[in-house]
Amino acid sequence: DTGVSQNPRHKITKRGQNVTFRCDPISEHNRLYWYRQTLGQGPEFLTYFQNEAQLEKSRLLSDRFSAERPKGSFSTLEIQRTEQGDSAMYLCASSGGPRGMRDGYTFGSGTRLTVV
Amino acid sequence: KQEVTQIPAALSVPEGENLVLNCSFTDSAIYNLQWFRQDPGKGLTSLLLIQSSQREQTSGRLNASLDKSSGRSTLYIAASQPGDSATYLCAVASGNEKLTFGTGTRLTIIP
Repeated sequence: DTGVSQNPRHKITKRGQNVTFRCDPISEHNRLYWYRQTLGQGPEFLTYFQNEAQLEKSRLLSDRFSAERPKGSFSTLEIQRTEQGDSAMYLCASSGGPRGMRDGYTFGSGTRLTVV
Repeated sequence: KQEVTQIPAALSVPEGENLVLNCSFTDSAIYNLQWFRQDPGKGLTSLLLIQSSQREQTSGRLNASLDKSSGRSTLYIAASQPGDSATYLCAVASGNEKLTFGTGTRLTIIP
């Protein structure tokens, strides 16, 4: 297993366009998380899945954001009608292997979104 | 609501010195605490994970301590090297399993 993989690494889009990001977690992890990080700030929680069920969504996640995790494997995060304020690093993490939470979280390299 | 604070926001030290980064959190009912490293424009690399029942963890030149009752953790870096330059983030996991992050300490090691 090569860890948590995120694609693309960078995305530049025009305001108003839709974008979709993908996250492939560590295969044995049943929990998957999305975080957003703006410049100079720590990551902020967006949403998380246990297997295919989306268990919690932050108030930061407006109606333009949707996340899915079909079959409890990879996850996608879609942003519709992007705005300049959506420009940020979107980070994915997974946890919940055989030792559960005791193994902590593993993060991917992130997707840097720039809305112009 | 859990809040995490990291002090200082930025730190510059000469190569070879030992240094301490500080993290404090408001709600002591945590599951564990994790220190991460982040290089500019990159994702997060886990450095050390301390369970709520533990007092410290060590990995090479890094040592992290946890005092849950006072809501504090420190990350000690021994014999600093230029390659240690990065932003260091502290994050706590609470019962809802979400991580709450501090804003980080930007560390610069001067050769």
